Amino acid sequence: SQKIEQNSEALNIQEGKTATLTCNYTNYSPAYLQWYRQDPGRGPVFLLLIRENEKEKRKERLKVTFDTTLKQSLFHITASQPADSATYLCALSSFSGAGSYQLTFGKGTKLSVIP
Amino acid sequence: NAGVMQNPRHLVRRRGQEARLRCSPMKGHSHVYWYRQLPEEGLKFMVYLQKENIIDESGMPKERFSAEFPKEGPSILRIQQVVRGDSAAYFCASSATPVVMNTEAFFGQGTRLTVV
Repeated sequence: SQKIEQNSEALNIQEGKTATLTCNYTNYSPAYLQWYRQDPGRGPVFLLLIRENEKEKRKERLKVTFDTTLKQSLFHITASQPADSATYLCALSSFSGAGSYQLTFGKGTKLSVIP
Repeated sequence: NAGVMQNPRHLVRRRGQEARLRCSPMKGHSHVYWYRQLPEEGLKFMVYLQKENIIDESGMPKERFSAEFPKEGPSILRIQQVVRGDSAAYFCASSATPVVMNTEAFFGQGTRLTVV
């Protein structure tokens, strides 16, 4: 069966360090993978998209890697700040079996950056 | 340019009542997706609509749930005869092109349904 697993439910990290979140998937062959941020009581907000032919993508303090052989994406936040505390979701496109592709989400990793 | 607007933000219904959740997509977006999020669970796809058409409802329960996206007005997710298990956050997202075309989705703030 298809699965998307994010490495841990919660991750605590000291301010200034690099946070690394993991997204593993099985039985998918996604054309791309996306990362979203979700704050409590709010909707997810898009952060980055990486395509299957891209190894790495950066945006300010964020970096995403995508290894289709390992079936894994890593999401890094460098120089982490307390404001980075949130739940981070990975999502990939999958065929729903009903004629369309949909975004399928992992359960998310709750990141807490400690001052 | 307003983002995706969902209302109400909070909705309380007694068991057996109907719940109507509204979603206005971003301007220029004709693709709408509904997701459900249970506490400590991930977002689960429910239904994908384009103007006046249901494209994919494979994630929606067969009974009591329906969705529409009329030519004019917001998309509506309707839950009839609600039960306690329907309590969840319901999110709507919109995109300019279908998800398969490598596009990001813009989410609303969600409607939190509580069934008492």
